[in-house]
Amino acid sequence: DAGVIQSPRHEVTEMGQEVTLRCKPISGHNSLFWYRQTMMRGLELLIYFNNNVPIDDSGMPEDRFSAKMPNASFSTLKIQPSEPRDSAVYFCASSLAIRAEAFFGQGTRLTVV
Amino acid sequence: GENVEQHPSTLSVQEGDSAVIKCTYSDSASNYFPWYKQELGKRPQLIIDIRSNVGEKKDQRIAVTLNKTAKHFSLHITETQPEDSAVYFCAAITTGGGNKLTFGTGTQLKVEL
Repeated sequence: DAGVIQSPRHEVTEMGQEVTLRCKPISGHNSLFWYRQTMMRGLELLIYFNNNVPIDDSGMPEDRFSAKMPNASFSTLKIQPSEPRDSAVYFCASSLAIRAEAFFGQGTRLTVV
Repeated sequence: GENVEQHPSTLSVQEGDSAVIKCTYSDSASNYFPWYKQELGKRPQLIIDIRSNVGEKKDQRIAVTLNKTAKHFSLHITETQPEDSAVYFCAAITTGGGNKLTFGTGTQLKVEL
């Protein structure tokens, strides 16, 4: 298995634009997590899904952020409109719920100018 | 929800010395405690984990201990090497309930020659 795959690896966008980050979890994993990493806040859990259902989105900073998981092999994190303070590295991770070991993708480095 | 605290935030040791990183958790139901290592510019990667039915686990130069009564767990690295320099994150979760993986704030370990 290729592991958790995220795209794009890097994204530079202008303030106010819509940004969509994508994630393909490891096949067979049924838990998926979106994290945001910054120097100031460390690794923040934004939202996680279990069996494609959002379980806890309390970490989503505001209504500009939304996440979907239409099927077991794909998830998106969308920011609309984007702001400079959204600049961070966004990681997706997946796990098999019964085992709990989470595996991270390579991350998307987002820069909003 | 679970709250994980991690200390110290930075740690500098001489090559060959031991390094210890400590974490505490708040939810007594937590039963899985992974440790992740994140090298600069890379994704967090699982290096060792421990489940609540054991008190200690070793893997070569790294070991983790768990004290369920006190709700704290520690990472021990012996005979440190320059390649151990990285940020280390602890986490605590309760498996089976969606596996919300909450991380500590991280420890920047620097191994000096």
